[in-house]
Amino acid sequence: QQQVKQSPQSLIVQKGGISIINCAYENTAFDYFPWYQQFPGKGPALLIAIRPDVSEKKEGRFTISFNKSAKQFSLHIMDSQPGDSATYFCAASMRERGGYQKVTFGIGTKLQVIP
Amino acid sequence: DTEVTQTPKHLVMGMTNKKSLKCEQHMGHRAMYWYKQKAKKPPELMFVYSYEKLSINESVPSRFSPECPNSSLLNLHLHALQPEDSALYLCASSQVAGHQAKNIQYFGAGTRLSVL
Repeated sequence: QQQVKQSPQSLIVQKGGISIINCAYENTAFDYFPWYQQFPGKGPALLIAIRPDVSEKKEGRFTISFNKSAKQFSLHIMDSQPGDSATYFCAASMRERGGYQKVTFGIGTKLQVIP
Repeated sequence: DTEVTQTPKHLVMGMTNKKSLKCEQHMGHRAMYWYKQKAKKPPELMFVYSYEKLSINESVPSRFSPECPNSSLLNLHLHALQPEDSALYLCASSQVAGHQAKNIQYFGAGTRLSVL
C-alpha cells in the first residue's frame, strides 16, 4: 500500500524555470514531512522539511506548500539550475514508541534541468 | 558534522560468501537504520535500532543479520545472499527524543552490493 503518492515520476524543466513536485498522503498520524534530494551514487540528503501546522516553508529557492485539509504537499524549486538535476523524494514520518521516526517515502521524481 | 560513513562503497560477493557492511556516525544519534534501495525506487526500511536495541525488523530474510555493537556503529552481516539482493544498502541515523525537527534521518552514501 503506497501511503505517500508522488507525481510526476519524471520532470524536465528549462534552466530558470519552476519545478513543481506534488505529494499526497493518507495517514493523519504522520507528523513531519521531509523532502530528500538524491544524486546518483549518493545517499538521500535532507533538503527541506515542514510540520503539518505550517502552510508554507521557504529556504532559498526551495519552498514547501502544505495543505493539511487536502492531505497534500508540494515542493517548488524556483530558478531551477542544472545542478538541481537529481531524484527528489517526498516523505512523511511519524514517531514510533522507541522514539525514532519511521519514514514513508514517495516513489521519487527524477528532475532534469536542461540549459 | 552530519556525516554517516559507510564502508565499503562497493561490494561484489558470491552466493556462498559471508561479508559485512559497516556504518559509523559520531553525531550522538541513538537511532540507526538500514535501508535497501533498488534502482529507481525509494529506500525500503529493513531494520531500526533504538538505544542499541533492535526495534524494527521489517520481515527481512535471515540471510541479513544486523548488529549494533555500540551507539556509534551499525553492522549488517550478509550470508548466502541471492542475486535479487543486489542493491544499494543505506545506513541512516537520527536522534530519538525532542522535536521532530531534531529527529531527521541523516543518510550515508551507501554500499553498492552486487551478488553473483
